Amino acid sequence: GENVEQHPSTLSVQEGDSAVIKCTYSDSASNYFPWYKQELGKRPQLIIDIRSNVGEKKDQRIAVTLNKTAKHFSLHITETQPEDSAVYFCAAPSYSGAGSYQLTFGKGTKLSVIP
Amino acid sequence: DAGVIQSPRHEVTEMGQEVTLRCKPISGHDYLFWYRQTMMRGLELLIYFNNNVPIDDSGMPEDRFSAKMPNASFSTLKIQPSEPRDSAVYFCASSLGASGNIQYFGAGTRLSVL
Repeated sequence: GENVEQHPSTLSVQEGDSAVIKCTYSDSASNYFPWYKQELGKRPQLIIDIRSNVGEKKDQRIAVTLNKTAKHFSLHITETQPEDSAVYFCAAPSYSGAGSYQLTFGKGTKLSVIP
Repeated sequence: DAGVIQSPRHEVTEMGQEVTLRCKPISGHDYLFWYRQTMMRGLELLIYFNNNVPIDDSGMPEDRFSAKMPNASFSTLKIQPSEPRDSAVYFCASSLGASGNIQYFGAGTRLSVL
């Protein structure tokens, strides 16, 4: 099955600085890489995703890059704001045949943005 | 659509009692997932269904856990008997396979077993 490793586990940045979270995966067949944000006491919510046919995707202050050769992908948040403080999870799919799949999640990164 | 709906939001029970968690997926979604989240182990997949059929239950911790999906709009996760180590937040998520794996999570059930 898929193995997803995420680093760092905690990250503190000053407001306005950039934050980068990195994930590696093991299954070279994986082709979809989402990032979820979970605020304290809330549900995980998808913030951005990337498919293997592109190397980078951007949505306002957040971007995701993918290196399929190295099997790693990263989340970049620029001009961080206090409301970016949350736990961020990366994920990658693993397939169990007949088109059925599941997502394997990283352990999460707790991002703290210091005003 | 109201999104994925879970009930109850909070459950406090005593060790040995039966607990039933409920989930209503987004209408039209053909995949349903049950996750457990703890500080120590993170977000773990317990079981998932495709078109109401269980596909992979290898994440179910032990025989005390069971899950059913009697129809496309309802699923249950049952723990019998419950133990203190089952205390966690349980999330249900659903997705539309054809749309490419995007999973939408419910608000979760916070379970405390005393």
